[in-house]
Amino acid sequence: EVQLLESGGGLVQPGGSLRLSCAASGFTFSSYAMSWVRQAPGKGLEWVSGISGSGGSTYYADSVKGRFTISRDNSKNTLYLQMNSLRAEDTAVYYCAKDLYQQQLFPYYFDYWGQGTLVTVSS
Amino acid sequence: QSALTQPASVSGSPGQSITISCTGTSSDVGGYNYVSWYQQHPGKAPKLMIYEVSNRPSGVSNRFSGSKSGNTASLTISGLQAEDEADYYCSSYTSSSHVVFGGGTKLTVL
Repeated sequence: EVQLLESGGGLVQPGGSLRLSCAASGFTFSSYAMSWVRQAPGKGLEWVSGISGSGGSTYYADSVKGRFTISRDNSKNTLYLQMNSLRAEDTAVYYCAKDLYQQQLFPYYFDYWGQGTLVTVSS
Repeated sequence: QSALTQPASVSGSPGQSITISCTGTSSDVGGYNYVSWYQQHPGKAPKLMIYEVSNRPSGVSNRFSGSKSGNTASLTISGLQAEDEADYYCSSYTSSSHVVFGGGTKLTVL
């Protein structure tokens, strides 16, 4: 059974940093691209970042480029999102999501999602 | 990258069919067949319902179908059931190597 378990969320002041983790199990982690998708309270979904299975290709939404860094440790079956220079508008539930297809450089479709971790940016 | 355009809400009675539209541009919906649809119930993670415009993942009811014409994709739900009441989001790959979501549509089953 595929499982994705996010952690690392919490309350942080504007300008601060936070690192999210997503522990994956139930599939060959290194074979699948992964993404982070966020949802601000009461709002819609926003794709944040994606990474290929090897970690060699990374992609970012314009809203986070230069501030967030996606990475993965395939030996630990874990996806990360390092978030720096956080702003109030980054407040959201952050989901990690698995790509539908194996061996894709880009994560086009998200067939499994974690339960999400809440990040609150406030003074 | 602007969000894809969806109606804020749609409604229908049990047994009826409804269609949710998703309008983008030639740089996303119109330019690629990487269009998908997600269902989200309150407090839950999204669920993939349609991928590659019209394909259903295993386990998704055949009451859900997808299509695309030009820059607009559509999700049709036939034989509406109470459990279909949820928020629905479309998404598309873009020419900037991004994923863009629609603003979401709240489906009410009357």
